[in-house]
Amino acid sequence: GAVVSQHPSRVICKSGTSVKIECRSLDFQATTMFWYRQFPKQSLMLMATSNEGSKATYEQGVEKDKFLINHASLTLSTLTVTSAHPEDSSFYICSAMRWGNEQYFGPGTRLTVT
Amino acid sequence: GIQVEQSPPDLILQEGANSTLRCNFSDSVNNLQWFHQNPWGQLINLFYIPSGTKQNGRLSATTVATERYSLLYISSSQTTDSGVYFCAADNYGQNFVFGPGTRLSVLP
Repeated sequence: GAVVSQHPSRVICKSGTSVKIECRSLDFQATTMFWYRQFPKQSLMLMATSNEGSKATYEQGVEKDKFLINHASLTLSTLTVTSAHPEDSSFYICSAMRWGNEQYFGPGTRLTVT
Repeated sequence: GIQVEQSPPDLILQEGANSTLRCNFSDSVNNLQWFHQNPWGQLINLFYIPSGTKQNGRLSATTVATERYSLLYISSSQTTDSGVYFCAADNYGQNFVFGPGTRLSVLP
């Protein structure tokens, strides 16, 4: 149990366009999901915490108007990168919290903005 | 917020060797987890271990919460153990913070 999926796994988009990434908990309900970003050979950095039915909480330095998060149900959270630029190219990973505090991670989405 | 450090940053082992990875954290923890990130980027949960000792096959972990550290033991290492090992922790109500990772290479 505790499987988290992400879609798409890879996406290439042109500068100025928007990209939506989906994160689903497949076999459990998650009231809280998290979005992380990872640059090459670096650790994961938390971008935002997504709570079902309420507004996301963004970490300092993360633009909420650029990274739109919607947690529409107990099994789905989406991250939309709006007006993407090359510096937004990164590996985006979501996680979902099951009972207690343990987090389970999706396989990640590699975004390349040209 | 909590700070998480890991050592060593890089580790090269011959297949069959044993190793110990360390995670130090700056405050009391509500959650501490160990992960293995494979070459494709997938984070695999190894242990949820805010305190105590757990074992799973060739891997085991110990967290001494009062001394603010956790250890991950890998015995009889295999080439498939290669990748980056992260520990991450949070302190009641604060964000889940990842350490910088230990990059492990197991040579055949």
